Amino acid sequence: DAKTTQPPSMDCAEGRAANLPCNHSTISGNEYVYWYRQIHSQGPQYIIHGLKNNETNEMASLIITEDRKSSTLILPHATLRDTAVYYCIVRTGKLIFGQGTTLQVKP
Amino acid sequence: DVKVTQSSRYLVKRTGEKVFLECVQDMDHENMFWYRQDPGLGLRLIYFSYDVKMKEKGDIPEGYSVSREKKERFSLILESASTNQTSMYLCASSPGGALAKNIQYFGAGTRLSVL
Repeated sequence: DAKTTQPPSMDCAEGRAANLPCNHSTISGNEYVYWYRQIHSQGPQYIIHGLKNNETNEMASLIITEDRKSSTLILPHATLRDTAVYYCIVRTGKLIFGQGTTLQVKP
Repeated sequence: DVKVTQSSRYLVKRTGEKVFLECVQDMDHENMFWYRQDPGLGLRLIYFSYDVKMKEKGDIPEGYSVSREKKERFSLILESASTNQTSMYLCASSPGGALAKNIQYFGAGTRLSVL
């Protein structure tokens, strides 16, 4: 599975869009990009995933660059409840969680 | 909504005790997983099961065993608990088929302390 690089922490103002970047420059053609988040003392929660195309669901949007070497998770209107650790995962099989990005949404 | 339920949120056990962690999912998923999560180490896969009575070792199976007698239930067993097994334990389930395409759904976790 390809390795991912994420900033350790980010802040976002409540109501603004949160853009969380992820670098996966060694990704191969059959590897999916997954995003999970983990709110303090809870289990990880699935957010979204994609292979090549941009994806959107009720929680977020996933933008994958054309060369697939990086992606951005967008939370369009962040709320205080979105404060969590966000994990970007590239996988062909097992889920391997790295250190993630701690997103702090501030009032 | 998929629901993965772990029997306990918090558990305190003594060294040498046999410990059972139970997990139940309600979505008829073929695959079930047990992870542990420790600060600085991320989530590490202990065991997984892709069918009833089937199991596969993950990355850190030592000191653990599992049981899957029914499709909806996956148990993690610590035969003789030790202090280095103090951790957050997470259960997950996913549909069958290619793992890379399958969303894993997690339970809330069990925080186990071994004294």
